[in-house]
Amino acid sequence: EAAVTQSPRNKVTVTGGNVTLSCRQTNSHNYMYWYRQDTGHGLRLIHYSYGAGNLQIGDVPDGYKATRTTQEDFFLLLELASPSQTSLYFCASSDASTEVFFGKGTRLTVV
Amino acid sequence: AQKVTQTQTSISVVEKTTVTMDCVYETRDSSYFLFWYKQTASGEIVFLIRQDSYKKENATVGHYSLNFQKPKSSIGLIITATQIEDSAVYFCAMREWDNYAQGLTFGLGTRVSVFP
Repeated sequence: EAAVTQSPRNKVTVTGGNVTLSCRQTNSHNYMYWYRQDTGHGLRLIHYSYGAGNLQIGDVPDGYKATRTTQEDFFLLLELASPSQTSLYFCASSDASTEVFFGKGTRLTVV
Repeated sequence: AQKVTQTQTSISVVEKTTVTMDCVYETRDSSYFLFWYKQTASGEIVFLIRQDSYKKENATVGHYSLNFQKPKSSIGLIITATQIEDSAVYFCAMREWDNYAQGLTFGLGTRVSVFP
């Protein structure tokens, strides 16, 4: 079974702070994703990647950067965090036609 | 553009009965994949079952089954013999073959509460 591990699981930061969310998958999937989940909006795609060094923009990319350093590792960067970025963040991975496997989520609070 | 709609925001059922959830989707792609996921109280998102658009038979996994009505762009989830631990939020999702790199488009979810 696909394993997607996110860290940290919980994070509190101040407005204007710098945050990095980490994700590692161990199933050799090509595709990795960052989603945010908010009440009333469901799960929305921030960035995605189809391999090391590749980065694609999702539906809600503003205020976020991402980097895929290896096939296994995908990072989400918030360089000037704002309260509107308080959310539950999910990393996920998949191959082309398989289901998408999710990590357990990171709850980020920006105060 | 692809879109997934779940019109039922919440459903309550008695344990050991059957619950049915609706989902309709929009796509221009002739090939696509449909999924149902469950989000538990802890927040984990777990894959349950999938239906590939080219398959005519409804998928079944354990006590989960699908009602795939392609002409209506509909993919309902049926849970039989419900248990208390089936209480969760259920998400319908779609992945288009032409845009498979972009992963899933989700509906807003249906909250299911199972009571003794």
